[in-house]
Amino acid sequence: NAGVTQTPKFQVLKTGQSMTLQCAQDMNHEYMSWYRQDPGMGLRLIHYSVGAGITDQGEVPNGYNVSRSTTEDFPLRLLSAAPSQTSVYFCASSYIFGRASTDTQYFGPGTRLTVL
Amino acid sequence: AQTVTQSQPEMSVQEAETVTLSCTYDTSESDYYLFWYKQPPSRQMILVIRQEAYKQQNATENRFSVNFQKAAKSFSLKISDSQLGDAAMYFCAYRSNFGNEKLTFGTGTRLTIIP
Repeated sequence: NAGVTQTPKFQVLKTGQSMTLQCAQDMNHEYMSWYRQDPGMGLRLIHYSVGAGITDQGEVPNGYNVSRSTTEDFPLRLLSAAPSQTSVYFCASSYIFGRASTDTQYFGPGTRLTVL
Repeated sequence: AQTVTQSQPEMSVQEAETVTLSCTYDTSESDYYLFWYKQPPSRQMILVIRQEAYKQQNATENRFSVNFQKAAKSFSLKISDSQLGDAAMYFCAYRSNFGNEKLTFGTGTRLTIIP
């Protein structure tokens, strides 16, 4: 198993540019999520999905779009990048049993994004 | 909404000694999970230990153990026989057992190991 993979590892954008951060998992996890990590603030939830075709907003969703067309993939789109979106982005996945899970969330290696 | 507080931005410990990292949380729920994640310089988030709130027994994983005080809403991590490889950021996290799988993180504690 490759686990949770993210591409790219590093990215530099100019203000106003768009891009997609890729996330894939090969563990057949229903739940996938995106977090951003900023200095002194821990990780904050951006968007999450409980299965293909189902997404919802987290704590800091503004400026980001997501979709989930397959179980394996959960891309994060920045439509018009802003300097405030400079951060490290993590994708995570886990199983869901009913409405809760006893399983662990597995994290990808992260993407460091800089918006100039 | 739940909150997680780590009041120690930085800690240091001598190699082979024991160190305790503090975490407190606020919730009105009775059923939840608590986690400690380690983030070394590689940036990878690695699960260290997990505690289920309905279990009174404190979780242990080799040199890592927790002191879970549910009434006080406290969840500290004890690292015994500290090793150079333990140097990392440590994050405490909360997950409700109702609804989605969202993790709420503290702001982290940077642990330095002194040789």
